[in-house]
Amino acid sequence: DVKVTQSSRYLVKRTGEKVFLECVQDMDHENMFWYRQDPGLGLRLIYFSYDVKMKEKGDIPEGYSVSREKKERFSLILESASTNQTSMYLCASSLARREETQYFGPGTRLLVL
Amino acid sequence: SQQGEEDPQALSIQEGENATMNCSYKTSINNLQWYRQNSGRGLVHLILIRSNEREKHSGRLRVTLDTSKKSSSLLITASRAADTASYFCATTNAGGTSYGKLTFGQGTILTVHP
Repeated sequence: DVKVTQSSRYLVKRTGEKVFLECVQDMDHENMFWYRQDPGLGLRLIYFSYDVKMKEKGDIPEGYSVSREKKERFSLILESASTNQTSMYLCASSLARREETQYFGPGTRLLVL
Repeated sequence: SQQGEEDPQALSIQEGENATMNCSYKTSINNLQWYRQNSGRGLVHLILIRSNEREKHSGRLRVTLDTSKKSSSLLITASRAADTASYFCATTNAGGTSYGKLTFGQGTILTVHP
């Protein structure tokens, strides 16, 4: 079974802090994705990566950056956290470039005070 | 951008009844998928239907796709309390290099009462 893990289930940070959310997948998947999920807005794609050191902006990249130094790990970085980044963050991976089925981690619920 | 719109936003039924959820989308697609999310958890893939398919079954799930109407439906038969969850449709747009990007709908919250 594919396993996607996220470093924290719950996280509380203060405004202005730098926040790192880590995601690891154990099935040698090429593609990895970061979404945020907010009530009434569904899932929105922040960034994705189709290879090591490659990244592409999603629909809402502002205020975020990402890092993919190793194939199994995809990090989401909030350079200076703001209260409007309070949300549920979901990481996902898929096998290959044109493979569409995504496997999700359990999510990180981030609260920015 | 959110392509899919799901209907209804919330659905409440009794155990044993069937549940039908609908999804509409705006652009041409390669395929459409349905995912389930239990409260506060990640999403789990349920079923994928390709643009050249009209109907697909998996256990108690039946998915239909009408590309002329740009819509899909998910039917869960003989529902159980454990089916209580949010259900999302997600599409992969046709053409271009999508890298498997998905566009999600806003989801239907299904509650199945024992």
